[in-house]
This record gives sequence, structure tokens and C-alpha cells, in this order.
Amino acid sequence: QVQLVESGGGVVQPGGSLRLSCAASGFTLSGYAMHWVRQAPGKGLEWMAFLRHDGSIEYYGDSVQGRFTASRDNSKNTLYLQLNSLRADDTAVYYCARDFHNRALDYWGQGSLVSVSS
Amino acid sequence: IQLTQSPSFLSASVGDRVTITCRASQGVGSYLAWYQQKPGKAPKLLIYYASTLQSGVPSRFSGSGSGTEFTLTVSSLQPEDFATYYCQQLKSYPHSFGQGTKLEIK
Repeated sequence: QVQLVESGGGVVQPGGSLRLSCAASGFTLSGYAMHWVRQAPGKGLEWMAFLRHDGSIEYYGDSVQGRFTASRDNSKNTLYLQLNSLRADDTAVYYCARDFHNRALDYWGQGSLVSVSS
Repeated sequence: IQLTQSPSFLSASVGDRVTITCRASQGVGSYLAWYQQKPGKAPKLLIYYASTLQSGVPSRFSGSGSGTEFTLTVSSLQPEDFATYYCQQLKSYPHSFGQGTKLEIK
């Protein structure tokens, strides 16, 4: 069955960096575009990033453009999100999700919590 | 593209029919999806391309609309349907979400 498992979250100081991973199983990652979505505590969903199946095209939300970078290693069935210049308002649960023909996000991971605090 | 859901909070009873509206600031065609999220859990896809029911989702859920106005209807609420619902547009980047509608038990 399709499974996405995020890891790499934790507590980081303002201005710091972190790399999240999303391990995919039950499907071939190279055949799918992927997204990252986050959710601050008690808040709604915020779409953050898109990465084409081969990594050739990326899109980012305005709040993370220039600070976050999505990448993938299809040979390892793993998606990554590099978070730089972290701020307190980046504190959130970060989800990876699979793109369904650009019509929805059909499978989601369980989320990884990133807490930015001094 | 901004998505505005209404209402933001909804109180209803088991067996009720409820409708949630999602309005887009510009046309998104049929590139709209609906998700259900329960506390502490990842969102779950319910409806894609405005009106197509995702496999495994009960038929009491339905979606309609196109362009700038969309609705999600639950025909007869069940206890497990009390959750927060989000719409998302996939017409253009960023693929924005609505602010959410929290459906509570009356």
C-alpha cells in the first residue's frame, strides 16, 4: 500500500536550518510529482512546494520562496525539503503528499513537527 | 488565488444534510479538491476535480461547482464526519487552500 513517512523534524533556533525527508513506499516515486504542505499549531493548511516527478520543475509558496528547497532522490524513493533561515512562524507540522494528475493530493504522510524557538 | 470557505464553523446533528461553500477569487475551472482532517491526523482526500469522489469515500459526500463557486455536501451526517474540511485549488501556483470549515456536533 502507498505510504509516505516524514522524518527529520525537531527543535531548531531562529536562523537555523533543518532537512526533512519523506520516504515513499508502495509506489514508484519517479512516476509522481510531489508536494509539501505545512500546518502551524491550531491553524489551517498552507501549501508550500511542488516538485515535478523528475525534479526539473519546482514551485514554492511566497512565504518560503528563497529559503526552502525541495529535492528528490528517486533512486532512494525519497523526497527532501531543506529549510534555511528558519523563523518562529515556520513552526508547524510538515507533510509530504503525492500529486494526483494535478487534480488533488491523494496520499499524505503523517507529518513531521518543526519547532523554531530560542 | 484566494479561497474563502463558508461557514468557518458549522454545528449540526447526526443525520443532517450540510453544505460547505468554497469561493475562489478567480476562476479555477474544475481544479478544486476537498479534504477532511481530524485532530492529529493528516488530511484525507474526499473529492477531486470538483465533483469526482475519491475511491473508498462514502457516497454521502458529493461535490459540485466550477469556475469560482464550489460546494461540498454531506447528505446525512455520520458521527465520524465531524472534522475540519478544506478546499484546495490546483489551477495555478501556489496551490492555495481555503481557511477550513470546522464541523461540530450540535
